Amino acid sequence: GEDVEQSLFLSVREGDSSVINCTYTDSSSTYLYWYKQEPGAGLQLLTYIFSNMDMKQDQRLTVLLNKKDKHLSLRIADTQTGDSAIYFCAEIVGGYQKVTFGTGTKLQVIP
Amino acid sequence: KAGVTQTPRYLIKTRGQQVTLSCSPISGHRSVSWYQQTPGQGLQFLFEYFSETQRNKGNFPGRFSGRQFSNSRSEMNVSTLELGDSALYLCASSSPTGGNYGYTFGSGTRLTVV
Repeated sequence: GEDVEQSLFLSVREGDSSVINCTYTDSSSTYLYWYKQEPGAGLQLLTYIFSNMDMKQDQRLTVLLNKKDKHLSLRIADTQTGDSAIYFCAEIVGGYQKVTFGTGTKLQVIP
Repeated sequence: KAGVTQTPRYLIKTRGQQVTLSCSPISGHRSVSWYQQTPGQGLQFLFEYFSETQRNKGNFPGRFSGRQFSNSRSEMNVSTLELGDSALYLCASSSPTGGNYGYTFGSGTRLTVV
């Protein structure tokens, strides 16, 4: 199956860390991604991780991958009001470039 | 360099009409994908084109079609519009080496069917 699931909503205080979780069901995925969508805009690629990695850090972003549990998470350190957006995890499945997106998590940052 | 450009940004059509949406990928990108985004269904994959060939197709009826030109620009067509086709249509392109390093998305075309 190709279902990618996320919790719908997360609220954090400015300055705290945010952790957005994602579970996927297809173990053959090779790359997993995090995208950010602000209101009225398209999707912005934040980061990606190859399936043979278990962690990737990029400035305030840390991605953790647990292949055994098919669990992906995105940690945002020192969350800012500008981080308020919808975050999508996504995976590539199969030989061609078909990306399956999660349901999206709306992150609300409280000043 | 210029990003992915989608035109028009907004469109209002009547049920039964047809519509064509356009996408210009980043220069040098040869893969173009289309997605439909709705509040109820989330992001659904429509199709992907590479070098003028459709390589992958999602689970949408035949009313949804697309094509890609030799300059990698792509168009998506929806015929006999239904109210349920109201959505944000997103186009994305990927680098010549493939989409494994992620896609770059346009801002989308918001289609409203009345």
